[in-house]
Amino acid sequence: GQQLNQSPQSMFIQEGEDVSMNCTSSSIFNTWLWYKQDPGEGPVLLIALYKAGELTSNGRLTAQFGITRKDSFLNISASIPSDVGIYFCAGQQGGSEKLVFGKGTKLTVNP
Amino acid sequence: DAGVIQSPRHEVTEMGQEVTLRCKPISGHDYLFWYRQTMMRGLELLIYFNNNVPIDDSGMPEDRFSAKMPNASFSTLKIQPSEPRDSAVYFCASSPPTGIKQFFGPGTRLTVL
Repeated sequence: GQQLNQSPQSMFIQEGEDVSMNCTSSSIFNTWLWYKQDPGEGPVLLIALYKAGELTSNGRLTAQFGITRKDSFLNISASIPSDVGIYFCAGQQGGSEKLVFGKGTKLTVNP
Repeated sequence: DAGVIQSPRHEVTEMGQEVTLRCKPISGHDYLFWYRQTMMRGLELLIYFNNNVPIDDSGMPEDRFSAKMPNASFSTLKIQPSEPRDSAVYFCASSPPTGIKQFFGPGTRLTVL
């Protein structure tokens, strides 16, 4: 099946630092989404991207839909302790409502 | 507005028992998805429905798993008989008519002893 390669697998940063993570695939996707999951909870949608090159922000979060349509990036600026969690990318191909998920990036923020 | 509701939040059962997980999607959403999350395999789509009709069940691991959606506000995922390898967190998600943005419930953590 389709796979999304998400990196890094984990990150340990200091509060106030910026964070970058990405998601790549060998296949083209029409939509990219980024989710955050807190322990014991379901993933929460952060940002949705619909076309190649699109750059969208949600507060301190900024995500980009790669021009090749095979990748996406998420940046978090000025991290705070509540940013801790697992961030998942998900891609959707044309003609299907199915989402393919990456394995996640676990973010730890040290105060 | 209420989000996706799942019950129970935790389920502990013994191997061989029947397990039923329940989901109430967000009102007005046409799509409903069942996922399983494990450390090894991550988030896997099991089955999804559109307007109560199953569209794709290719992710259902085997015949022990079945899912139904008798109406727009309720779905069940049943495992019979359950096995220890079924232990995982099961999520239900729903999506409005565009089928793009999926909103997840809090999940049911299943432990099969």
